[in-house]
Amino acid sequence: DSGVTQTPKHLITATGQRVTLRCSPRSGDLSVYWYQQSLDQGLQFLIQYYNGEERAKGNILERFSAQQFPDLHSELNLSSLELGDSALYFCASSALMGTDTQYFGPGTRLTVL
Amino acid sequence: AQSVTQPDIHITVSEGASLELRCNYSYGATPYLFWYVQSPGQGLQLLLKYFSGDTLVQGIKGFEAEFKRSQSSFNLRKPSVHWSDAAEYFCAVGATSYGKLTFGQGTILTVHP
Repeated sequence: DSGVTQTPKHLITATGQRVTLRCSPRSGDLSVYWYQQSLDQGLQFLIQYYNGEERAKGNILERFSAQQFPDLHSELNLSSLELGDSALYFCASSALMGTDTQYFGPGTRLTVL
Repeated sequence: AQSVTQPDIHITVSEGASLELRCNYSYGATPYLFWYVQSPGQGLQLLLKYFSGDTLVQGIKGFEAEFKRSQSSFNLRKPSVHWSDAAEYFCAVGATSYGKLTFGQGTILTVHP
């Protein structure tokens, strides 16, 4: 158990819908990262927050957004969902930034029908 | 831009045999390298990491990896594989400034009894 929690574990929804994925980092960790794992794209970095502020962006679609709240939990919002958004979404946390080890949560499996 | 290549998509070994998983990276500065393991339906667990210093890194579960700057490689090794090592293994390179991880495509390890 990494100490990072993600809810829900599974999510099934329809095209065009909007969903919110939640992540609670390890106690004391200030950085939260979101990654997407799909069969065709592999594991890709989406976005990073540090102590409530966005710090880095990867290949995140405009339909996706995220935020980190004062209690340091984070939410990833996915809207206007398409079939291709079906994937495993991981959250990771680290104490600070840079070279700190990232600890991954169990992931949320999103299925868009 | 940073990138990671894992040339072997799938490797099969017999239990008790030695293992080497290959990883080649591309990064403009001193790389920060990681190996993660993902069991079916699970998140990613850190096996080991290289930041600096000794180029032979010891990790959990009896794994080790060797950083070779001249070959841009960070291969993972284990002298004797156990059936429980069957999983997917990911090599990753980290950005020093903000921690974004770039992953390879992964190598699936199958262990025969």
